[in-house]
Amino acid sequence: LAKTTQPISMDSYEGQEVNITCSHNNIATNDYITWYQQFPSQGPRFIIQGYKTKVTNEVASLFIPADRKSSTLSLPRVSLSDTAVYYCLDTNAGKSTFGDGTTLTVKP
Amino acid sequence: NAGVTQTPKFQVLKTGQSMTLQCAQDMNHNSMYWYRQDPGMGLRLIYYSASEGTTDKGEVPNGYNVSRLNKREFSLRLESAAPSQTSVYFCASSATGTSTGELFFGEGSRLTVL
Repeated sequence: LAKTTQPISMDSYEGQEVNITCSHNNIATNDYITWYQQFPSQGPRFIIQGYKTKVTNEVASLFIPADRKSSTLSLPRVSLSDTAVYYCLDTNAGKSTFGDGTTLTVKP
Repeated sequence: NAGVTQTPKFQVLKTGQSMTLQCAQDMNHNSMYWYRQDPGMGLRLIYYSASEGTTDKGEVPNGYNVSRLNKREFSLRLESAAPSQTSVYFCASSATGTSTGELFFGEGSRLTVL
């Protein structure tokens, strides 16, 4: 199970766009790239998933380059409620390996 | 729609005691998982069940056993609890168990072993 690498923490201000980058150095051909969000005392919650290029949903965008060795989660116009831990995963057959995540702190 | 339900939410054990964490999902998902999360760290996969009747080890299976009782329920048992097993345990399920399977998590079970 491949483990990803991402920054330990990031700070931002309300209304800014936040980009969190993840390294997928050991990603396998069949793996998808998935991002989760976790608030204190709760289980992680699915944000977005992709295999290649760009994916966008109502919450975020996910950018994956052609070599798939990295991914970038983009959160537009963050608010205080976006303060959480964000995990990027290589997902294969549901056997997702969580790294230590990026703690995003949004300040007023 | 309850999603994934875990019981108990909190438990304190003494070293050497045994206990079972229960998990049930009502989304008709094929795959179920048990993770543990230590303070300040990410989740580590203990065991998973890709479908009813099958179970497989994850990253950290030692000291645990699991039972996939039926499609809805997946239990995690600690036969002889140790302080190193103090953690928050999360159960999750996914629809297909394939590469695109979104994980749905329960609220967690907080276990302290003294």
